[in-house]
Amino acid sequence: ELKVEQNPLFLSMQEGKNYTIYCNYSTTSDRLYWYRQDPGKSLESLFVLLSNGAVKQEGRLMASLDTKARLSTLHITAAVHDLSATYFCAVANSGGGADGLTFGKGTHLIIQP
Amino acid sequence: EPEVTQTPSHQVTQMGQEVILRCVPISNHLYFYWYRQILGQKVEFLVSFYNNEISEKSEIFDDQFSVERPDGSNFTLKIRSTKLEDSAMYFCASSGPPGEYFGPGTRLTVT
Repeated sequence: ELKVEQNPLFLSMQEGKNYTIYCNYSTTSDRLYWYRQDPGKSLESLFVLLSNGAVKQEGRLMASLDTKARLSTLHITAAVHDLSATYFCAVANSGGGADGLTFGKGTHLIIQP
Repeated sequence: EPEVTQTPSHQVTQMGQEVILRCVPISNHLYFYWYRQILGQKVEFLVSFYNNEISEKSEIFDDQFSVERPDGSNFTLKIRSTKLEDSAMYFCASSGPPGEYFGPGTRLTVT
């Protein structure tokens, strides 16, 4: 059974600081996603990582994937208040898209001015 | 930009009643999913659907649940006899390159 663990689960940080969220998963998978969720809202796709060593960046967020270590990171650079949200990593249950995703518990991020 | 849509946005029902949640996936996607999120908790996979049949289902997706694609565009989740613990946000998703996209969700409240 695929297990996905995120840490930290809660993070309060100041604007301008850098921080990293970690996502470990237990079995081999061919896709890893990062999503953002604002309170009461749906899941916004941030990144899809498909291969070992993949790195993607969008604004102040950068995601990377190490398939050998079964580890992905989401790095926040010079945080701003607008990035306050819950961030989930999700790992594909099997290849080909047929079997959905297993989610981590989410990292609740609060960025204070 | 194409998006997944869901109706209704909020459904209140009494315990024991049947509910049908509706979704319109992105039109050229082939894989469809239902997930649920109990308030304050993580998102949980319920079922995946491909080529007009269930591809995979979780242990949550018991005999009370069923899915259908009745008309080639809609994708529905039926809960036959709702329980209090079915109260959650239900998300539909569809998958196609480059990823998996979620609808806005239906908040189901069982009283």
